[in-house]
Amino acid sequence: EAGVTQSPTHLIKTRGQQATLRCSPISGHTSVYWYQQALGLGLQFLLWYDEGEERNRGNFPPRFSGRQFPNYSSELNVNALELEDSALYLCASSYRTGSDTQYFGPGTRLTVL
Amino acid sequence: GEDVEQSLFLSVREGDSSVINCTYTDSSSTYLYWYKQEPGAGLQLLTYIFSNMDMKQDQRLTVLLNKKDKHLSLRIADTQTGDSAIYFCAESIKTGRRALTFGSGTRLQVQP
Repeated sequence: EAGVTQSPTHLIKTRGQQATLRCSPISGHTSVYWYQQALGLGLQFLLWYDEGEERNRGNFPPRFSGRQFPNYSSELNVNALELEDSALYLCASSYRTGSDTQYFGPGTRLTVL
Repeated sequence: GEDVEQSLFLSVREGDSSVINCTYTDSSSTYLYWYKQEPGAGLQLLTYIFSNMDMKQDQRLTVLLNKKDKHLSLRIADTQTGDSAIYFCAESIKTGRRALTFGSGTRLQVQP
């Protein structure tokens, strides 16, 4: 069974640009989560999508947004990039019910110059 | 509120047991997880324990949960060099946010 996949692996942008990161969940999972792992700040929850709806978001500004498609894949968009947005962005997926254990993808390394 | 704490570094010799500790503050945690992260990689789920359990064993891994002290530990038996990585403890609260709250991670160094 394929795990969570993310693309691209690496992304280099300049300040002020927009970045789009993509995630495909494990087959059968309907929930997708995004986390940011920035140097020195640890892993922080960004967004949770389920059944196409944003269910919850962490303490991040509105320029971090996303969506979930009918096939449950997801996009994370970061507008007006700032240098401190440089981080590893991790996507996870889970079933909607039950233990909702989250399985993570390999991440997208975003570098903002 | 939610807060998860771990020690930053642990060094052991190959073949010894490793014990990584974690404390959490939210008494409404329902599941507690251990993830492993190797350099440049995502998080690999190692094991998890439901909050009404005291212990869970899975091959070389043993998880102990002390609910009274809100203390979680991960014991790795017969530690190998391939176990060198960062280990994250995380808590999940089933209702509401559904987000995982992670500790800062413990870097395990296994010396040959």
